[in-house]
Amino acid sequence: DAGVTQTPRHEVAEKGQTIILKCEPVSGHNDLFWYRQTKIQGLELLSYFRSKSLMEDGGAFKDRFKAEMLNSSFSTLKIQPTEPKDSAVYLCASSSLGVQNTLYFGAGTRLSVL
Amino acid sequence: GQQVQQSPASLVLQEGENAELQCNFSSTATQLQWFYQSPGGSLVSLLSNPSGTKHTGRLTSTTVTKERRSSLHISSSQTTDSGTYLCAIATGTGGYKVVFGSGTRLLVSP
Repeated sequence: DAGVTQTPRHEVAEKGQTIILKCEPVSGHNDLFWYRQTKIQGLELLSYFRSKSLMEDGGAFKDRFKAEMLNSSFSTLKIQPTEPKDSAVYLCASSSLGVQNTLYFGAGTRLSVL
Repeated sequence: GQQVQQSPASLVLQEGENAELQCNFSSTATQLQWFYQSPGGSLVSLLSNPSGTKHTGRLTSTTVTKERRSSLHISSSQTTDSGTYLCAIATGTGGYKVVFGSGTRLLVSP
């Protein structure tokens, strides 16, 4: 089975641009998470979907970050407009339905905002 | 909110030594996972252990749920074990949140 696929692997954006990151979860997984990882803050939850429904929108990230899941096999994270402080690794993870199940992570997208 | 504290923040070992990593959490956890992240890499799940003791290869995890703590023991460390080890907990049924600790950075030298 394919794991979690994230594209692109690297993204460079100018300040103020709109960027869209993509994620394909493991086939059959119902839970999908978007995280941001930085050295200072560690892993921060941006969004959490269960069966395509948004369960958690990450509070502080709401204003410029929008995650969508239009079908069960594809999710996007839009950052609009980008700021230099958004430079980080963005990780997508999926899991089978149920809190007992293992999280599987994608390889991540490294975003650099100039 | 949920807090996950990991210790030590970093650890340096000689190859062959054992490592003991700690994870303490502030809320009742229905799931606890240990992850490994290589430098510049993504996260790989090592063990899911919400309670009791679990072994896989050179790894042993012991979670004492009522004391809200878990440990990860790495025996006979190898240079390839170098990286960051993260503890994550999940709580709730239905919708739930997964919260990560800040990790323990392990360096195993030859």
